[in-house]
Amino acid sequence: DAKTTQPPSMDCAEGRAANLPCNHSTISGNEYVYWYRQIHSQGPQYIIHGLKNNETNEMASLIITEDRKSSTLILPHATLRDTAVYYCIVREPYGQNFVFGPGTRLSVLP
Amino acid sequence: DTGVSQDPRHKITKRGQNVTFRCDPISEHNRLYWYRQTLGQGPEFLTYFQNEAQLEKSRLLSDRFSAERPKGSFSTLEIQRTEQGDSAMYLCASSSTDRYTEAFFGQGTRLTVV
Repeated sequence: DAKTTQPPSMDCAEGRAANLPCNHSTISGNEYVYWYRQIHSQGPQYIIHGLKNNETNEMASLIITEDRKSSTLILPHATLRDTAVYYCIVREPYGQNFVFGPGTRLSVLP
Repeated sequence: DTGVSQDPRHKITKRGQNVTFRCDPISEHNRLYWYRQTLGQGPEFLTYFQNEAQLEKSRLLSDRFSAERPKGSFSTLEIQRTEQGDSAMYLCASSSTDRYTEAFFGQGTRLTVV
Protein backbone atom coordinates (compact mmCIF):
# COMPACT_ATOMS: atom_id res chain seq x y z
CA ASP A 1 0.00 0.00 0.00
CA ALA A 2 1.05 3.57 -0.66
CA LYS A 3 2.52 5.32 2.37
CA THR A 4 1.35 8.75 1.25
CA THR A 5 -1.91 10.66 1.15
CA GLN A 6 -2.69 13.40 -1.35
CA PRO A 7 -5.80 15.42 -2.16
CA PRO A 8 -7.65 13.83 -5.06
CA SER A 9 -7.80 17.00 -7.13
CA MET A 10 -6.67 20.61 -7.29
CA ASP A 11 -7.09 23.56 -9.63
CA CYS A 12 -4.52 26.22 -10.43
CA ALA A 13 -4.67 29.30 -12.62
CA GLU A 14 -2.26 29.41 -15.54
CA GLY A 15 0.87 31.38 -14.68
CA ARG A 16 0.42 30.98 -10.95
CA ALA A 17 2.36 28.66 -8.67
CA ALA A 18 0.87 25.22 -8.13
CA ASN A 19 1.51 23.85 -4.65
CA LEU A 20 0.75 20.15 -4.33
CA PRO A 21 0.78 18.73 -0.80
CA CYS A 22 1.65 15.22 0.29
CA ASN A 23 1.37 13.65 3.72
CA HIS A 24 3.80 10.87 4.64
CA SER A 25 3.54 10.79 8.41
CA THR A 26 4.99 7.26 8.73
CA ILE A 27 8.10 7.94 6.68
CA SER A 28 11.23 6.36 8.11
CA GLY A 29 14.60 8.02 8.41
CA ASN A 30 16.16 6.67 5.27
CA GLU A 31 13.18 6.88 2.95
CA TYR A 32 13.22 9.35 0.11
CA VAL A 33 10.27 11.32 -1.24
CA TYR A 34 9.76 11.07 -5.02
CA TRP A 35 7.36 12.93 -7.25
CA TYR A 36 6.12 11.74 -10.62
CA ARG A 37 3.42 13.03 -12.90
CA GLN A 38 1.35 11.37 -15.57
CA ILE A 39 -0.19 13.21 -18.44
CA HIS A 40 -3.20 11.48 -19.97
CA SER A 41 -2.33 8.25 -21.81
CA GLN A 42 1.41 8.62 -21.24
CA GLY A 43 3.81 6.87 -18.88
CA PRO A 44 4.70 8.49 -15.55
CA GLN A 45 7.36 11.18 -15.78
CA TYR A 46 9.96 11.65 -13.04
CA ILE A 47 9.96 15.15 -11.56
CA ILE A 48 12.15 15.33 -8.46
CA HIS A 49 13.14 13.54 -5.28
CA GLY A 50 14.66 14.43 -1.92
CA LEU A 51 15.49 13.20 1.58
CA LYS A 52 15.30 16.16 3.95
CA ASN A 53 16.73 19.19 2.25
CA ASN A 54 14.68 21.23 -0.14
CA GLU A 55 15.43 20.43 -3.75
CA THR A 56 14.99 22.36 -6.97
CA ASN A 57 15.44 21.43 -10.59
CA GLU A 58 14.30 22.81 -13.92
CA MET A 59 10.83 21.36 -13.48
CA ALA A 60 9.90 22.01 -9.87
CA SER A 61 10.85 22.58 -6.24
CA LEU A 62 10.36 20.11 -3.43
CA ILE A 63 9.87 21.43 0.09
CA ILE A 64 10.09 18.83 2.88
CA THR A 65 9.06 19.78 6.40
CA GLU A 66 11.63 19.53 9.13
CA ASP A 67 9.91 16.53 10.71
CA ARG A 68 9.69 14.98 7.21
CA LYS A 69 6.05 14.06 7.72
CA SER A 70 4.86 16.07 4.76
CA SER A 71 6.13 17.72 1.62
CA THR A 72 5.00 20.13 -1.08
CA LEU A 73 5.78 20.04 -4.75
CA ILE A 74 5.86 23.52 -6.26
CA LEU A 75 5.46 24.24 -9.95
CA PRO A 76 6.44 27.91 -9.97
CA HIS A 77 4.58 29.06 -13.08
CA ALA A 78 1.99 26.49 -14.05
CA THR A 79 1.07 26.12 -17.71
CA LEU A 80 -1.76 24.24 -19.37
CA ARG A 81 0.74 21.46 -20.18
CA ASP A 82 1.20 20.85 -16.45
CA THR A 83 -2.33 19.45 -16.24
CA ALA A 84 -1.71 15.88 -15.07
CA VAL A 85 -1.98 13.44 -12.19
CA TYR A 86 0.83 14.01 -9.70
CA TYR A 87 2.06 11.12 -7.55
CA CYS A 88 4.02 11.42 -4.32
CA ILE A 89 5.95 8.25 -3.36
CA VAL A 90 8.22 7.32 -0.46
CA ARG A 91 10.87 4.71 -1.05
CA GLU A 92 13.86 3.24 0.73
CA PRO A 93 17.36 3.53 -0.72
CA TYR A 94 17.89 0.46 -2.88
CA GLY A 95 14.15 -0.02 -2.63
CA GLN A 96 12.69 -2.62 -4.89
CA ASN A 97 9.80 -0.79 -6.46
CA PHE A 98 7.83 2.44 -6.47
CA VAL A 99 4.40 2.19 -4.85
CA PHE A 100 1.89 4.56 -6.43
CA GLY A 101 -1.27 5.81 -4.75
CA PRO A 102 -4.14 7.48 -6.61
CA GLY A 103 -2.28 10.83 -6.79
CA THR A 104 -3.61 14.38 -7.21
CA ARG A 105 -5.28 15.40 -10.43
CA LEU A 106 -4.06 18.95 -11.13
CA SER A 107 -6.06 21.02 -13.56
CA VAL A 108 -4.39 24.20 -14.78
CA LEU A 109 -7.07 26.60 -15.89
CA PRO A 110 -6.65 29.36 -18.48
CA ASP B 1 19.39 6.41 -26.19
CA THR B 2 16.09 8.22 -25.92
CA GLY B 3 14.54 6.42 -22.99
CA VAL B 4 12.46 3.37 -22.27
CA SER B 5 10.76 1.95 -25.34
CA GLN B 6 7.69 -0.28 -25.36
CA ASP B 7 6.15 -2.18 -28.22
CA PRO B 8 3.41 -2.30 -29.31
CA ARG B 9 1.75 0.89 -28.06
CA HIS B 10 -1.71 -0.59 -28.52
CA LYS B 11 -2.97 -4.16 -28.73
CA ILE B 12 -6.49 -5.42 -29.22
CA THR B 13 -6.98 -9.14 -28.76
CA LYS B 14 -9.81 -11.59 -28.41
CA ARG B 15 -10.44 -13.23 -25.08
CA GLY B 16 -8.46 -16.43 -24.75
CA GLN B 17 -5.60 -15.37 -27.01
CA ASN B 18 -2.01 -14.97 -25.87
CA VAL B 19 -0.23 -11.64 -26.11
CA THR B 20 3.39 -10.59 -25.65
CA PHE B 21 4.76 -7.12 -24.98
CA ARG B 22 8.33 -5.96 -25.27
CA CYS B 23 10.27 -3.40 -23.25
CA ASP B 24 13.68 -1.97 -24.12
CA PRO B 25 15.14 -0.18 -21.10
CA ILE B 26 17.67 2.63 -21.00
CA SER B 27 20.86 0.87 -22.02
CA GLU B 28 22.94 1.30 -18.89
CA HIS B 29 20.09 0.45 -16.50
CA ASN B 30 20.22 -2.97 -14.91
CA ARG B 31 16.85 -2.82 -13.15
CA LEU B 32 13.65 -3.26 -15.09
CA TYR B 33 10.09 -3.06 -13.73
CA TRP B 34 6.66 -3.96 -15.06
CA TYR B 35 3.52 -2.20 -13.83
CA ARG B 36 -0.14 -2.41 -14.73
CA GLN B 37 -2.52 0.55 -14.68
CA THR B 38 -6.29 0.50 -14.99
CA LEU B 39 -8.44 3.54 -15.65
CA GLY B 40 -8.43 6.05 -12.81
CA GLN B 41 -5.87 4.16 -10.74
CA GLY B 42 -2.18 4.63 -10.13
CA PRO B 43 0.27 2.11 -11.59
CA GLU B 44 0.42 -1.22 -9.73
CA PHE B 45 3.67 -3.12 -9.44
CA LEU B 46 3.85 -6.50 -11.17
CA THR B 47 7.48 -7.61 -11.15
CA TYR B 48 11.06 -6.47 -11.44
CA PHE B 49 14.39 -7.74 -12.70
CA GLN B 50 17.93 -6.98 -11.76
CA ASN B 51 19.93 -7.92 -14.81
CA GLU B 52 18.41 -11.23 -15.94
CA ALA B 53 17.19 -12.28 -12.49
CA GLN B 54 13.54 -11.82 -11.62
CA LEU B 55 13.76 -10.74 -7.99
CA GLU B 56 10.20 -9.96 -7.01
CA LYS B 57 6.72 -10.78 -8.24
CA SER B 58 3.49 -9.21 -7.07
CA ARG B 59 0.44 -11.22 -6.12
CA LEU B 60 -1.17 -9.52 -9.12
CA LEU B 61 1.03 -11.61 -11.38
CA SER B 62 -1.16 -14.67 -11.82
CA ASP B 63 0.15 -17.87 -13.37
CA ARG B 64 -1.14 -16.68 -16.75
CA PHE B 65 1.49 -13.95 -16.68
CA SER B 66 5.15 -14.54 -17.32
CA ALA B 67 8.01 -12.11 -17.71
CA GLU B 68 11.51 -12.70 -18.95
CA ARG B 69 14.70 -10.75 -19.39
CA PRO B 70 16.94 -13.35 -20.96
CA LYS B 71 20.13 -11.38 -21.48
CA GLY B 72 19.63 -8.65 -18.96
CA SER B 73 18.66 -6.19 -21.67
CA PHE B 74 15.14 -6.14 -23.14
CA SER B 75 12.24 -7.81 -21.39
CA THR B 76 9.01 -9.46 -22.49
CA LEU B 77 5.72 -9.79 -20.64
CA GLU B 78 3.41 -12.53 -21.87
CA ILE B 79 -0.20 -12.98 -20.91
CA GLN B 80 -1.73 -16.35 -21.73
CA ARG B 81 -5.45 -16.99 -22.20
CA THR B 82 -6.31 -13.32 -21.89
CA GLU B 83 -9.42 -12.27 -19.99
CA GLN B 84 -11.39 -9.04 -20.19
CA GLY B 85 -10.04 -8.10 -16.77
CA ASP B 86 -6.55 -7.99 -18.27
CA SER B 87 -7.49 -4.87 -20.21
CA ALA B 88 -5.14 -2.19 -18.91
CA MET B 89 -2.06 -0.13 -19.65
CA TYR B 90 1.13 -2.13 -19.11
CA LEU B 91 4.05 0.06 -18.18
CA CYS B 92 7.73 -0.71 -18.15
CA ALA B 93 10.35 1.26 -16.25
CA SER B 94 14.09 1.01 -15.77
CA SER B 95 16.63 2.31 -13.31
CA SER B 96 20.18 1.85 -12.18
CA THR B 97 20.93 0.23 -8.84
CA ASP B 98 22.28 3.41 -7.33
CA ARG B 99 21.03 4.08 -3.86
CA TYR B 100 18.77 7.04 -4.60
CA THR B 101 17.99 6.41 -8.19
CA GLU B 102 14.82 7.34 -9.95
CA ALA B 103 13.04 5.08 -12.41
CA PHE B 104 12.16 6.14 -15.94
CA PHE B 105 8.97 4.88 -17.52
CA GLY B 106 8.06 4.02 -21.05
CA GLN B 107 4.86 5.17 -22.74
CA GLY B 108 3.14 1.89 -22.05
CA THR B 109 1.23 -0.72 -24.03
CA ARG B 110 -2.53 -0.39 -23.89
CA LEU B 111 -4.19 -3.79 -24.02
CA THR B 112 -7.86 -4.19 -24.85
CA VAL B 113 -9.36 -7.66 -24.56
CA VAL B 114 -12.65 -8.04 -26.43
